[in-house]
Amino acid sequence: EADIYQTPRYLVIGTGKKITLECSQTMGHDKMYWYQQDPGMELHLIHYSYGVNSTEKGDLSSESTVSRIRTEHFPLTLESARPSHTSQYLCASRRSTGADYGYTFGSGTRLTVV
Amino acid sequence: LAKTTQPISMDSYEGQEVNITCSHNNIATNDYITWYQQFPSQGPRFIIQGYKTKVTNEVASLFIPADRKSSTLSLPRVSLSDTAVYYCLVGAHGSSNTGKLIFGQGTTLQVKP
Repeated sequence: EADIYQTPRYLVIGTGKKITLECSQTMGHDKMYWYQQDPGMELHLIHYSYGVNSTEKGDLSSESTVSRIRTEHFPLTLESARPSHTSQYLCASRRSTGADYGYTFGSGTRLTVV
Repeated sequence: LAKTTQPISMDSYEGQEVNITCSHNNIATNDYITWYQQFPSQGPRFIIQGYKTKVTNEVASLFIPADRKSSTLSLPRVSLSDTAVYYCLVGAHGSSNTGKLIFGQGTTLQVKP
């Protein structure tokens, strides 16, 4: 049973379109993250948040933006999609206090820009 | 952040025990070692976490020597469904951590019938 949800699961969209990838978690975790992963390749951190109204860019430069208005919601937006944005986008969350059991990941959104 | 090194790939057969070793020479005093498993087209899944000596759960065991410069994930009696990529990560624990864990290339484990 997933505690972190990503929608859509798959998305094919034309160049120039604006898209928002949704990520929601029901665990009350303060920390949330977006990773980008190409097939067979490493995960790269592109955005993270330590709590409401906190967002930071990750280690991999990305043209996407994020927002964190509510603890449970961390959407990622691409204002103008390009073929170079084709990839899998993975959302994750992690608790800040108490026992640490690592990241919980969503199932990902596989984005194809044509 | 401590860098980790692990084999790119490993092959095994069903029913065998598999040991994947990860090197982390620059591990800091407050760093924990965490292993994840990832199947194709899915997000990584937490397997096990430890600080020193041995940790065991229903899925795997984690062996960490006294110097903590390496760790070994042990999967008992693997099955075909254990075919996946396994990542070793090192980072600080709980509220003291920045949460910015770095995923390397991982180890692709192929289990054969």
